[in-house]
Amino acid sequence: LAKTTQPISMDSYEGQEVNITCSHNNIATNDYITWYQQFPSQGPRFIIQGYKTKVTNEVASLFIPADRKSSTLSLPRVSLSDTAVYYCLVGDIHSGGSYIPTFGRGTSLIVHP
Amino acid sequence: EPEVTQTPSHQVTQMGQEVILRCVPISNHLYFYWYRQILGQKVEFLVSFYNNEISEKSEIFDDQFSVERPDGSNFTLKIRSTKLEDSAMYFCASSEGKANTEAFFGQGTRLTVV
Repeated sequence: LAKTTQPISMDSYEGQEVNITCSHNNIATNDYITWYQQFPSQGPRFIIQGYKTKVTNEVASLFIPADRKSSTLSLPRVSLSDTAVYYCLVGDIHSGGSYIPTFGRGTSLIVHP
Repeated sequence: EPEVTQTPSHQVTQMGQEVILRCVPISNHLYFYWYRQILGQKVEFLVSFYNNEISEKSEIFDDQFSVERPDGSNFTLKIRSTKLEDSAMYFCASSEGKANTEAFFGQGTRLTVV
């Protein structure tokens, strides 16, 4: 399984763009990069997934450089409700062949007024 | 939008008692999962279930735990003899099971062992 490294915490203010970078140096050729969001006392929620270059949806953008050893989740114009923990997941195929989403510590984002 | 539902939302039990946590996964999904999250810690994988049997389990999932799909819709986690350290949020999830597809998580059951 590819190991991921992300900042433990980040602070921002309403209306700002937030970029959270995740390192995954040993990403495998077939691995996708997936980001989840978790609010307190709730289950994780899928945000976005990508393989290379840039992916954008109604919530976020995901930037992946050519070497794919890192990725950056970009949240445009954050609001207080974006305060949450953000998890970067890479390559969760276990030895038995099953796909198991595996979570690290994540990045705790706090948005201030 | 389809969702994973879990019951109860909160369960309080005495140490040594058995508890059953219930989940209804999304109907066309093939893989089902249980995770737990101790307060302030990360989301930890417990077990995955496919084709009516366990496909993967973590070292946390010892003999006191069991899972079952008693009918076509429910997926349950049983903790046989609860310990204080079993207090946590327990999340059920389901997915299509193919690589690189998203998993859908329920809202969780908060288990408190006293």
